[in-house]
Amino acid sequence: GAGVSQSPRYKVAKRGQDVALRCDPISGHVSLFWYQQALGQGPEFLTYFQNEAQLDKSGLPSDRFFAERPEGSVSTLKIQRTQQEDSAVYLCASSVRQVYEQYFGPGTRLTVT
Amino acid sequence: RKEVEQDPGPFNVPEGATVAFNCTYSNSASQSFFWYRQDCRKEPKLLMSVYSSGNEDGRFTAQLNRASQYISLLIRDSKLSDSATYLCVVKEDTGKLIFGQGTTLQVKP
Repeated sequence: GAGVSQSPRYKVAKRGQDVALRCDPISGHVSLFWYQQALGQGPEFLTYFQNEAQLDKSGLPSDRFFAERPEGSVSTLKIQRTQQEDSAVYLCASSVRQVYEQYFGPGTRLTVT
Repeated sequence: RKEVEQDPGPFNVPEGATVAFNCTYSNSASQSFFWYRQDCRKEPKLLMSVYSSGNEDGRFTAQLNRASQYISLLIRDSKLSDSATYLCVVKEDTGKLIFGQGTTLQVKP
């Protein structure tokens, strides 16, 4: 069966550009999480959806970061006016419900030059 | 202070060695604990859950000490394929995962 997929796998953006990162969760998974992993660090929580509702966005680093999941399936993480400190791997994870195991996608490696 | 702290290593050990990783967490109300494994440039994958009574899966043993807010992972008879980063994780009731920095293990022949 298909796991969590993310696209693009790699993205290079010039500072100031907007980027959109896509996550396709496992079919039927209600919960979807976004994490940011800087080089040499563990992943850090960004935001969480239950179906289409964004229940926690406490980890978003600034108002340049925006996430949506309008139909309760695919999710997009958008970063406006990218900065060098946004360079990281962005991981998406989904689970049947929030208390169950999260399955991670391969991540999108964002490099801001 | 970070919510979950780990020694980043690296730990360089010969094949067959026993190696132990430790982790501490700051929220005494935390209830769910895990070890994840992450290979270079790959996504994290669940290795095992951690319980106060201890949890063993083959060569891997995980232990939780709630009083000390301390989590451990023991790997016996290390294999080359065990080389990876091991992430200590605390899970909140909302499902949010809080990761430690990760401990890098390199097993050498």
